[in-house]
Amino acid sequence: AQSVAQPEDQVNVAEGNPLTVKCTYSVSGNPYLFWYVQYPNRGLQFLLKYITGDNLVKGSYGFEAEFNKSQTSFHLKKPSALVSDSALYFCAVRINNAGNMLTFGGGTRLMVKP
Amino acid sequence: DAGVIQSPRHEVTEMGQEVTLRCKPISGHDYLFWYRQTMMRGLELLIYFNNNVPIDDSGMPEDRFSAKMPNASFSTLKIQPSEPRDSAVYFCASSRALAGGAGELFFGEGSRLTVL
Repeated sequence: AQSVAQPEDQVNVAEGNPLTVKCTYSVSGNPYLFWYVQYPNRGLQFLLKYITGDNLVKGSYGFEAEFNKSQTSFHLKKPSALVSDSALYFCAVRINNAGNMLTFGGGTRLMVKP
Repeated sequence: DAGVIQSPRHEVTEMGQEVTLRCKPISGHDYLFWYRQTMMRGLELLIYFNNNVPIDDSGMPEDRFSAKMPNASFSTLKIQPSEPRDSAVYFCASSRALAGGAGELFFGEGSRLTVL
């Protein structure tokens, strides 16, 4: 079985400060890991993914994530938060060669205050 | 490309009525997924197709739910009869069959269903 956990329902950060949204995973094989963002009344938008190679992955809108195999984590980060980054963020996992099915975490609401 | 297209965007119906949600995936994508999003349960995978064939429907709540993909450019999710607990946002997503399953999913804007 595969699963992801997002331990924080909400993260609050001031504009201009660095942000981190946490994600841990549990899989029996090699994981493929994804981050998505959802703005109000919109569908999920792909931000970035880790497949293999460099543990630091860069994605859209200045976001990046670091794959840490020993800690089974894939935290989303951004050096300087913007108010417009306020949204719902989802981490997702897939085992390689397990079809294209993604298992999503419960989501973390990011609130960036001016 | 126009992305994944879902219709209707909003549907309000009465308990017992039939509901049909529609999805047009991105051209050339091999996989199509139906997810349901609620506050209580988050994002749940209902069913997914590969090359128009249903692969895993274990997430379909009960026999009232059915999904079809008659061709590569169209899928439907039907609820008959609908119940208030079916109220949710239903998302369709599609993806390519990249090696090892590395392809990301592209989501539509969702269909918000309210069953009164």
